Amino acid sequence: EAGVAQSPRYKIIEKRQSVAFWCNPISGHATLYWYQQILGQGPKLLIQFQNNGVVDDSQLPKDRFSAERLKGVDSTLKIQPAKLEDSAVYLCASITVAGDTDTQYFGPGTRLTVL
Amino acid sequence: AQSVSQHNHHVILSEAASLELGCNYSYGGTVNLFWYVQYPGQHLQLLLKYFSGDPLVKGIKGFEAEFIKSKFSFNLRKPSVQWSDTAEYFCAVTPWNSGYALNFGKGTSLLVTP
Repeated sequence: EAGVAQSPRYKIIEKRQSVAFWCNPISGHATLYWYQQILGQGPKLLIQFQNNGVVDDSQLPKDRFSAERLKGVDSTLKIQPAKLEDSAVYLCASITVAGDTDTQYFGPGTRLTVL
Repeated sequence: AQSVSQHNHHVILSEAASLELGCNYSYGGTVNLFWYVQYPGQHLQLLLKYFSGDPLVKGIKGFEAEFIKSKFSFNLRKPSVQWSDTAEYFCAVTPWNSGYALNFGKGTSLLVTP
């Protein structure tokens, strides 16, 4: 079974520029998560989708971050404009249907450096 | 609000030493508990999980963890570590059967020396 795919793997931009990340979850996985992992910390949820609907975006900085999953399959996360503190690894994870025995599978992440 | 606390941020052990990594969580209800591992250059992968039943759970690569409800703890153990266990270890919690995202601790960096 193919894993969660993410691209690009690395991105370097200057502050105030925009950037987009792409995630393709495991086939058939209805729930998709975007996490932000700052160096030295554990991943923190940004947004959760169930199919193409948003379940939880309470921790997404909506003034600069946006995400979509239009067809309920792959997803994009955008930052516009980027700030220095956005430097982090952005992780995508998916799960069949969120339930009591499901395991989240993580992609390799996109490492963003904002200069 | 939920929180997860991992006691040790950096651990250095010699091969064959025993490992115990502490994890405590703060949450009033029933929870699902996880340990994830991130080997250098690789993505996060599940070591083990607890949902219900036997509080002693066994995972991959000889790891096990014990859920102690009264102490709100879920400590990770391995009797004898190997150099290949060098990695970052994350404890995570989510309310039981909620489908919510994982709430992670800050992680423990383990270095195993030959």
